[in-house]
Formats: sequence, structure tokens, C-alpha cells
Amino acid sequence: DSGVTQTPKHLITATGQRVTLRCSPRSGDLSVYWYQQSLDQGLQFLIQYYNGEERAKGNILERFSAQQFPDLHSELNLSSLELGDSALYFCASSPGLAGVTGETQYFGPGTRLLVL
Amino acid sequence: AQSVTQLDSQVPVFEEAPVELRCNYSSSVSVYLFWYVQYPNQGLQLLLKYLSGSTLVKGINGFEAEFNKSQTSFHLRKPSVHISDTAEYFCAVTRWDRDDKIIFGKGTRLHILP
Repeated sequence: DSGVTQTPKHLITATGQRVTLRCSPRSGDLSVYWYQQSLDQGLQFLIQYYNGEERAKGNILERFSAQQFPDLHSELNLSSLELGDSALYFCASSPGLAGVTGETQYFGPGTRLLVL
Repeated sequence: AQSVTQLDSQVPVFEEAPVELRCNYSSSVSVYLFWYVQYPNQGLQLLLKYLSGSTLVKGINGFEAEFNKSQTSFHLRKPSVHISDTAEYFCAVTRWDRDDKIIFGKGTRLHILP
């Protein structure tokens, strides 16, 4: 158990819908990272937040958005869903900026999204 | 931008045989390198990482990796694999002097054959 929790574990929805994925980082961790894992694209970095502020952006679509709240939990919002958005979405956390310090990222168990 | 290439998408190996999973990254003088493992139906967890110092890094579960700056490689090795090593392995890189994001390779699926 990494200490990172993600809800829900599974999500089935229809095209055009909007969903929200939630992540609670490990106690004390200030950074949250979101990743998308699919068979064809592999593990893609989406976005990073540090202490409530957006820190880095990856291959995140305009239909997707995220935020980190004062209690440090984070939400990833996916809207106008398409079939191709079906994937496993991981959240990870670290105490600080892993890209700078080389510290470990701790991954949650993921949310499996299926768009029908 | 940094990039990572994992040369093999799948590697089959017999139980108790040695294995090497290959990883090459785009050239940079200021990199941190990581290997993460994903067991079936789980999230990723850190196997080992190179930050500085000795180029031979030892990790959990008997794995080790060697940082080779001239060849821009960070190959993962284990002298004798077990069925429990069946998993997907991801190499990752970041350029610390630029506060850069961490980039993951596409992963190598390790199949252990009985």
C-alpha cells in the first residue's frame, strides 16, 4: 500500500459525458501527478500540482482539467468523453518536486475508465 | 525535452535465468534515472534510481542497474528471475537542472517461463 488513494476504482460511462477522478496523496506530500496509461500510448504524464499550484503540464487534452485543493487532494476532470479516453488513470504523489530532487513518486492503484 | 526508449516491449525468459531490460535516454549531463515496476492490476512502485555517485545502483528484489553516461543507457538486470518478477517495467528520466517533468518509457513486459 503506497498511501495514495484513488476513487473510484472503476468507472463506466458514455461518450459525451463528464467524470471526475479523485486522488488523495500520502500524508505530507505536496506534489500530485496525474498519468494516463493505455495500451497504445503507454504511460503518459498529464499534469503536476505542487501545493495547490500547477507545476508542469504534459500531454493533457483541453477537454481535461485538474486542480489541487487546500487539503492537497486533487481531482482530474474529463469532459466530452470519447471512446479513446478509455484508459487507466494513475495519480502519484511525492513530498516535493520529484523532477528536481529525484525523490520517489508513490503511485495510487489507479482508476479504470471505460467509455462506451 | 527528455525522452526515454525501452528497446523491447516484451522479454520472455526462463525462470532462474538472468535478464537484462534495456533503457536508453536522450543525451543530457544532468539526469536522474528511475526504474519502476507495475505488477498485474497494481500501480507502479520504485525499483531503484540513480541520482549521483556510483554508477551501479542496487534496488529491491535483487535488481540492479548501471548508469552509462557515454552510451546514455540505464539497463536493468537481475541474475536469476522468479515467477514473481512477472510484471511491466518502466524506465523514467528527468533533467533536474531544469526542474523538468519525469518522462516514462513505454514499458517492457517481462514474461517468466517455467
